[in-house]
Amino acid sequence: DAGVTQSPTHLIKTRGQQVTLRCSPKSGHDTVSWYQQALGQGPQFIFQYYEEEERQRGNFPDRFSGHQFPNYSSELNVNALLLGDSALYLCASSLTSRGLDYGYTFGSGTRLTVV
Amino acid sequence: DAKTTQPNSMESNEEEPVHLPCNHSTISGTDYIHWYRQLPSQGPEYVIHGLTSNVNNRMASLAIAEDRKSSTLILHRATLRDAAVYYCILRRAGGTSYGKLTFGQGTILTVHP
Repeated sequence: DAGVTQSPTHLIKTRGQQVTLRCSPKSGHDTVSWYQQALGQGPQFIFQYYEEEERQRGNFPDRFSGHQFPNYSSELNVNALLLGDSALYLCASSLTSRGLDYGYTFGSGTRLTVV
Repeated sequence: DAKTTQPNSMESNEEEPVHLPCNHSTISGTDYIHWYRQLPSQGPEYVIHGLTSNVNNRMASLAIAEDRKSSTLILHRATLRDAAVYYCILRRAGGTSYGKLTFGQGTILTVHP
């Protein structure tokens, strides 16, 4: 059973560019969340998608946007990249109907470097 | 979000038990206690969760204080593969923080052979 799949695994972009990261959730999961993890820090919540809608959002600027497709996969888009956007971007999937009595499954992340 | 406090780091020897503490004195009645761990170069991995009663699974045990203001993750026999950052997280039923996990700094566990 495949877990959460993220692509690409590594990416180098230039300041001001735009980037799209992709995530396929674990089979049977319908909810996707995105996290940003700077070096040496814990992951920070960006937003969560359910039923193709953004359900919750963390403290991130509008440059960060996302999308969820009918097959539950998701994209994270970041516009006007800054050096500070360099981080590991993690995707986590879950099944909303299970509520809190359930753990999230994380992917291995996309390492984004902005130069 | 209710806050958790964990030691920055802990050390253990292989095949010995490890007790990782977490304080959450402002926990509310609807907060679940979740533990995740993150191995080097990987995403976080769900370990265990509980609400009021102690919990056991194949990875670990979770001991929850009677007043729920603290909890302890127990690895019964540490292996080198258990070396990771361990995060204690509170998840609240309902409200605006429902969906997200709020990670702190976690505890870096070092396991010596």
